[in-house]
Amino acid sequence: ILNVEQSPQSLHVQEGDSTNFTCSFPSSNFYALHWYRWETAKSPEALFVMTLNGDEKKKGRISATLNTKEGYSYLYIKGSQPEDSATYLCAPRRNNDMRFGAGTRLTVKP
Amino acid sequence: DAMVIQNPRYQVTQFGKPVTLSCSQTLNHNVMYWYQQKSSQAPKLLFHYYDKDFNNEADTPDNFQSRRPNTSFCFLDIRSPGLGDAAMYLCATSRAPPIDQPQHFGDGTRLSIL
Repeated sequence: ILNVEQSPQSLHVQEGDSTNFTCSFPSSNFYALHWYRWETAKSPEALFVMTLNGDEKKKGRISATLNTKEGYSYLYIKGSQPEDSATYLCAPRRNNDMRFGAGTRLTVKP
Repeated sequence: DAMVIQNPRYQVTQFGKPVTLSCSQTLNHNVMYWYQQKSSQAPKLLFHYYDKDFNNEADTPDNFQSRRPNTSFCFLDIRSPGLGDAAMYLCATSRAPPIDQPQHFGDGTRLSIL
């Protein structure tokens, strides 16, 4: 079973704060790690697909790192804005098995 | 814009009354997925199609069936909905092979059971 843990479950920050959260997964037989952003009343949107240990990806103010040896990925948001408020889901893939975490719900207060 | 469309956005059905949720895509992707998501939980994969090949998850109840008549459409049939089946149902697509390819999601159908 591919157990995926995301922490924290929820996070409240002030506009302008930088923040980060974690996705943990079993390191064995790792294949890829997906990050998605899911805003309320919208569809989940792909942010990154990461495959290599040490990968770093960036999209605007959002970046992610990957450590496949220890089984974790960090998502960073620099200078959070109210429009960043969403649930951030990670989904590691191991062989043919991809599982979503429960997500980190981020609220950015103006 | 090319997209994944789910209809309806909200569906209400009665306990035990069959219901069908639909998904269509204009992306021409080979793979289509159905997920169930209950409040604050992780989206749970029910099954997926790789072209016409159906792949059921081991723990998906028999009450849940799917059909994919062509590349563009995929349906989720719930034969006898119970109260525990109330959830958000998400359809997603990806290019083949699915590994390393991001999934493209519809807006979801929120199913309520009376």
